Amino acid sequence: SSELTQDPAVSVALGQTVRITCQGDSLRSYYASWYQQKPGQAPVLVLYGKNNRPSGIPDRFSGSSSGNTASLTITGAQAEDEADYYCNSRDSSGDHRVFGGGTKLTVL
Amino acid sequence: EVQLVESGGGLVQPGGSLRLSCAASGFTVSSNYMSWVRQAPGKGLEWVSAIYTGGTVYYADSVKGRFTISRDNSKNTVYLQMDSLRAEDTAMYYCARDMYDYGDYGIEYWFDPWGQGTLVTVSS
Repeated sequence: SSELTQDPAVSVALGQTVRITCQGDSLRSYYASWYQQKPGQAPVLVLYGKNNRPSGIPDRFSGSSSGNTASLTITGAQAEDEADYYCNSRDSSGDHRVFGGGTKLTVL
Repeated sequence: EVQLVESGGGLVQPGGSLRLSCAASGFTVSSNYMSWVRQAPGKGLEWVSAIYTGGTVYYADSVKGRFTISRDNSKNTVYLQMDSLRAEDTAMYYCARDMYDYGDYGIEYWFDPWGQGTLVTVSS
């Protein structure tokens, strides 16, 4: 079982804002990173650290954290944002990496 | 361009072995942490193993004792030797550069880039 918990599915109307959350005790000590995966493709990094976006990731993607919860927010969701989203962090030992179970985002 | 290309996947019988390769370009694997991550069909991502710059290695409990991560600096390539394979090891296997940085608010960790993956099927 995953040490990071995500909602299995979330939906958002086109152009609206959606928050995808990730919960786990290790998030009290470590930041989460977030990955977008579209069908048949490798995961792509969309956010890491306190709120860092890699080059090429639109600024509608942002991150936050509080206590044991990390959040990925998409402000003004677009059709191309429909994908699976995974959070990742370190486990309590600090040496093992752990992924959340993933959230399937549907853009209506 | 920073890039990772995996190879070596295929069909193998239960109990068999396979060695995956991950060739890097645009950066040096020996100067970076590297990880393998897998994804069973229709399932989520699962971290498998990591190798640090100094050679320290870590494994998920599900593969410890059966899988071995290593690297060849001369070939700028990371490997995953998989022995005693089981049906539940069937998955797409990705390698990724395992990054970290000392940010203003704490250590930040992330995987970037990822390879395109190589499929391993364990079946009789």
